[in-house]
Amino acid sequence: GQQVMQIPQYQHVQEGEDFTTYCNSSTTLSNIQWYKQRPGGHPVFLIQLVKSGEVKKQKRLTFQFGEAKKNSSLHITATQTTDVGTYFCAGLSNTGNQFYFGTGTSLTVIP
Amino acid sequence: GAGVSQSPSNKVTEKGKDVELRCDPISGHTALYWYRQSLGQGLEFLIYFQGNSAPDKSGLPSDRFSAERTGGSVSTLTIQRTQQEDSAVYLCASSFGPYTGELFFGEGSRLTVL
Repeated sequence: GQQVMQIPQYQHVQEGEDFTTYCNSSTTLSNIQWYKQRPGGHPVFLIQLVKSGEVKKQKRLTFQFGEAKKNSSLHITATQTTDVGTYFCAGLSNTGNQFYFGTGTSLTVIP
Repeated sequence: GAGVSQSPSNKVTEKGKDVELRCDPISGHTALYWYRQSLGQGLEFLIYFQGNSAPDKSGLPSDRFSAERTGGSVSTLTIQRTQQEDSAVYLCASSFGPYTGELFFGEGSRLTVL
């Protein structure tokens, strides 16, 4: 069945350090989305990537969709304490109508 | 309303009781999803509604779980004979359609089964 894995599961960084989370799907995806969930909150949409090899930036955040549309990454430059939370990827399969959420990466930023 | 509304926000119940969780999606959104999130875990897909089509129930963990969506809008997730392992946050999300745009999540309903 469809699986979307994320690594690492947890990441602790010093404020100012960079952070990257990786998302890997067992099958080709139609598109991929990224969400951020603050502690005690609900997932909030960050971005959607559709094209093979697509790269999008939002201030300090850089999102990438792999050439084969089976993997994706989120990179945060110079983390801040406001970046704390769990980051989820969500892939839409080519054949289905369901988003398969990744296992999530919990980011802790140490001031 | 402006966002996805869920109720109750918190529910404490005794083992064996039935519970109903409600989701009111954003007006005009045809797709509605239910997810379950246990403490510190990821999102577990439960069920998906798209317009008037038959729902995708493939994620429901047992026959104690069921969901309805009336008139293509409000949805109710029912858990019968609750068990302690049902304790989790139940998140509802809606979107314009299955292939378009983001999922808008509600604040969730935290269920605690004693």
